[in-house]
Amino acid sequence: GAGVSQSPSNKVTEKGKDVELRCDPISGHTALYWYRQRLGQGLEFLIYFQGNSAPDKSGLPSDRFSAERTGESVSTLTIQRTQQEDSAVYLCASSLGAGGTDTQYFGPGTRLTVL
Amino acid sequence: AQSVTQPDIHITVSEGASLELRCNYSYGATPYLFWYVQSPGQGLQLLLKYFSGDTLVQGIKGFEAEFKRSQSSFNLRKPSVHWSDAAEYFCAVGPYNQGGKLIFGQGTELSVKP
Repeated sequence: GAGVSQSPSNKVTEKGKDVELRCDPISGHTALYWYRQRLGQGLEFLIYFQGNSAPDKSGLPSDRFSAERTGESVSTLTIQRTQQEDSAVYLCASSLGAGGTDTQYFGPGTRLTVL
Repeated sequence: AQSVTQPDIHITVSEGASLELRCNYSYGATPYLFWYVQSPGQGLQLLLKYFSGDTLVQGIKGFEAEFKRSQSSFNLRKPSVHWSDAAEYFCAVGPYNQGGKLIFGQGTELSVKP
């Protein structure tokens, strides 16, 4: 595809339920990132994948958050036992490599609302 | 700790007026610096980036930014604002030795008066 795609675009869930968010990166991009954007705030780094290397999970806020990536393609971010503070827009980005000079291209995001 | 500060949460300018959005960073070495724009309902789009060399960088949509090491700043400018520039603007730092993950400021929301 032409850009990074994410699904669903919106997700409303009840507190305590699990949710799964999907990201399709740009074809050929080896690096993939997840960020969280709370209302009125900047983006917070969550996790990134680079090729076959172990992911950098240093930004995950709790063990309720996990992410997987299949090769250099789709990634899913899973939030277990959702809490109201998990309400945010979750953004995915991909880049050719994971060097600091590689431009990250962002998807439109998934807006998660936890009731 | 590495951080990015955008002191202005919200700025309003008149169409045709000049614009400067402020960004200050805290980092131990020369960072990679970025400005992104986020329009309503859309993902972030890269406006410009600085890695090294000429400290004045040109970006898309007529934007430019100047890296000032002595002030730890990377302010975004545009000489004449258009109504379509109304959006949220984010400054970000990309630390060299931590992969490509970015540290973002809290953003500045730009409103444009007709």
